[in-house]
Amino acid sequence: DAGVIQSPRHEVTEMGQEVTLRCKPISGHDYLFWYRQTMMRGLELLIYFNNNVPIDDSGMPEDRFSAKMPNASFSTLKIQPSEPRDSAVYFCASSPLRHTQYFGPGTRLTVL
Amino acid sequence: QKEVEQNSGPLSVPEGAIASLNCTYSDRGSQSFFWYRQYSGKSPELIMSIYSNGDKEDGRFTAQLNKASQYVSLLIRDSQPSDSATYLCAVRAPGNQFYFGTGTSLTVIP
Repeated sequence: DAGVIQSPRHEVTEMGQEVTLRCKPISGHDYLFWYRQTMMRGLELLIYFNNNVPIDDSGMPEDRFSAKMPNASFSTLKIQPSEPRDSAVYFCASSPLRHTQYFGPGTRLTVL
Repeated sequence: QKEVEQNSGPLSVPEGAIASLNCTYSDRGSQSFFWYRQYSGKSPELIMSIYSNGDKEDGRFTAQLNKASQYVSLLIRDSQPSDSATYLCAVRAPGNQFYFGTGTSLTVIP
């Protein structure tokens, strides 16, 4: 298996622009997680899905953030409009039931 | 109180020594515990999991769990410079949420 795939790997955008991050989980994994990592706050869980259904989005910072999982092999995290404080590394991870998570390579987002 | 707490370090040990990393968690119902290693600029990588009280050994790594004290630790024997990284403690809570500590930075000095 190729592991969790994320795209793009790097994104540089200007404040106010829409940003879409993409994730393909490992086939057969029931859970998908979106995280944000910064030096100041460490690894923060934004939202997670079980069988394509959002279970807990309490970590989503505000309405500018939204996430979807239209099918078992694809998820998106969208920021609209983006702000400089959104600059971080965004990780997607997937997990089979009752097991640990496997992380993708991350997307480094810079908002100017 | 944070769900998972770790000493941020940095922790420095000489090559060949034992590195000891510690973690405490707040949810007594948690059943699954993990240690991840994260090299600078890379994604977290699972190195150990532990589910029951006691020790679990895998090569140079030993995870220790004490549920009564809500304490998890990771020992790295014969530390190598390649072990230099940030180590993240993670706990899977009863609701299937994962909580991560902020990580401990380890430097192994040749």
